Amino acid sequence: RKEVEQDPGPFNVPEGATVAFNCTYSNSASQSFFWYRQDCRKEPKLLMSVYSSGNEDGRFTAQLNRASQYISLLIRDSKLSDSATYLCVVNRGGSYIPTFGRGTSLIVHP
Amino acid sequence: GAVVSQHPSWVICKSGTSVKIECRSLDFQATTMFWYRQFPKQSLMLMATSNEGSKATYEQGVEKDKFLINHASLTLSTLTVTSAHPEDSSFYICSAPGTGHEEQYFGPGTRLTVT
Repeated sequence: RKEVEQDPGPFNVPEGATVAFNCTYSNSASQSFFWYRQDCRKEPKLLMSVYSSGNEDGRFTAQLNRASQYISLLIRDSKLSDSATYLCVVNRGGSYIPTFGRGTSLIVHP
Repeated sequence: GAVVSQHPSWVICKSGTSVKIECRSLDFQATTMFWYRQFPKQSLMLMATSNEGSKATYEQGVEKDKFLINHASLTLSTLTVTSAHPEDSSFYICSAPGTGHEEQYFGPGTRLTVT
């Protein structure tokens, strides 16, 4: 089993749609979780950290389920500019060494 | 926020030559930096952890003699791809952890093409 697994998509949605991505991780000792956004041929940029209590930043909501070892990202009211690859990142248990999922591609169309 | 730069942003070299890529933290000190490689439509694969003043820690399957890492100062780590081959063509990215050692700040990446 891969350390961090994501559905690669692509998710093809119209503007204004709500879309959700899930990510599962295998190391139960992991403590830090993140969603990054990567545009084509660019470096990843931090979208948000994921906390146990769940957290929201504008149209983006992240949730963590430790029991089932998965993380989710919900995007509401999708914009064309949300089109990108969303990377789930889990720090290895007991360290700050990041492990990346392969990313989920989102395409928002008019 | 913290800024990490990389140089060069792209490079084309001939098979058998060596290429050096620099990663700098511009407004903070980084005792640790990470080097990744990303092939098209694939995830970032961690290659090694660069430690200031000591040897790098390589991930399983990464040849340390081929990918030389030097972290001589708190703001600079270098990755040298030695005896490059076409299969080494990839997007190489570095990152440095934030002050909380949680999130990563990424350099803009270096696109290497070996002909």
